[in-house]
Amino acid sequence: AQTVTQSQPEMSVQEAETVTLSCTYDTSENNYYLFWYKQPPSRQMILVIRQEAYKQQNATENRFSVNFQKAAKSFSLKISDSQLGDTAMYFCAFMTMDQFYFGTGTSLTVIP
Amino acid sequence: DSGVTQTPKHLITATGQRVTLRCSPRSGDLSVYWYQQSLDQGLQFLIQYYNGEERAKGNILERFSAQQFPDLHSELNLSSLELGDSALYFCASSVGGGRSQETQYFGPGTRLLVL
Repeated sequence: AQTVTQSQPEMSVQEAETVTLSCTYDTSENNYYLFWYKQPPSRQMILVIRQEAYKQQNATENRFSVNFQKAAKSFSLKISDSQLGDTAMYFCAFMTMDQFYFGTGTSLTVIP
Repeated sequence: DSGVTQTPKHLITATGQRVTLRCSPRSGDLSVYWYQQSLDQGLQFLIQYYNGEERAKGNILERFSAQQFPDLHSELNLSSLELGDSALYFCASSVGGGRSQETQYFGPGTRLLVL
């Protein structure tokens, strides 16, 4: 069975600081893709960043970057220079050929 | 705005009833996915359609069904509703064959409340 674990239900960070959200997954698949989605209070799901498992280079998207450790099955999200608009629920997602799994989310609050 | 639209935004109904949720994918996207987000279950994948055909199935109950029409919009039908079906239902779409390399773009969701 495939699972996604986000062990930090809630986190907070001071504005302009850096925060890292953790995600681990379990799979026997070799080809898969990992995503981080953001869900602000509006409840819409917004793609933050994606990572292909076959790529060793960590994905980066402006202030967002990931630390992908394939052997450890770890996929953490680092947010640099945190902004008030980053306050949201963050979901880690793991996708194989025909199944899509989401973690239970980490609620991030950016403190002014 | 992802380009994916969902109607209605909110739906309140009673147990035992049947409802239909509608989704229009982004222009050009052929795949549609349905997800259920409830408080205690997180985000659960229900089903995926690609160009009118069922492509993948997740934890979808037998009381639920979906279809994708020739114009690529999709409908999720929920019947014999129970209190536990109260949730936020998301639709997402992706460009092509819908395999895992496709980025999914989510709609704003339909909030269903079963009383």
